Amino acid sequence: AQSVTQLGSHVSVSEGALVLLRCNYSSSVPPYLFWYVQYPNQGLQLLLKYTTGATLVKGINGFEAEFKKSETSFHLTKPSAHMSDAAEYFCAVFPSNAGNMLTFGGGTRLMVKP
Amino acid sequence: NAGVTQTPKFRVLKTGQSMTLLCAQDMNHEYMYWYRQDPGMGLRLIHYSVGEGTTAKGEVPDGYNVSRLKKQNFLLGLESAAPSQTSVYFCASSYGGLLAGSETQYFGPGTRLLVL
Repeated sequence: AQSVTQLGSHVSVSEGALVLLRCNYSSSVPPYLFWYVQYPNQGLQLLLKYTTGATLVKGINGFEAEFKKSETSFHLTKPSAHMSDAAEYFCAVFPSNAGNMLTFGGGTRLMVKP
Repeated sequence: NAGVTQTPKFRVLKTGQSMTLLCAQDMNHEYMYWYRQDPGMGLRLIHYSVGEGTTAKGEVPDGYNVSRLKKQNFLLGLESAAPSQTSVYFCASSYGGLLAGSETQYFGPGTRLLVL
């Protein structure tokens, strides 16, 4: 069974500050893990994903995430926030409770202050 | 290369009316999906398809039907709309195969549906 928890529905950071968006999952099998980003009035697009191999995954726009099996976490980070990073971010895990499909977390809206 | 497109972009329905949402992809993907997005709940899978002529139920299938008559198109139908179906609907597609679970999903821009 899989579920995804994103801590903090809203996160606010100053431009240039560290971005940390948290994702924890429950899993009975080795998961595939994803971060998707949604800009206003758009569909989701993939930021990065972990399937196998190296646990530190680098994505687009300077984001990265680390798969920590012992902590069942896949937190998303970026060293320095940019105004253009303001968006909603979704963590997802495969497979889901219902079978061979993705389960998404509730999302975290990132706000970047000038 | 348009990617994944959805029509219409926005629609208002009265309770009990029916409508069909169209999704089209030009990436020759095997898998297609319909999700709904509601505040604080992320995306929830309604139905999906692993190939032309095949469909399967997702997490929240009640009140919806789907068809995949052509590989590039995936239709979502609401036979009798209810206010609880007010949501933003997203279509997505991905490559299939044995590693389908690890494949990136490509999303359309969404359809906003308001049921009065």
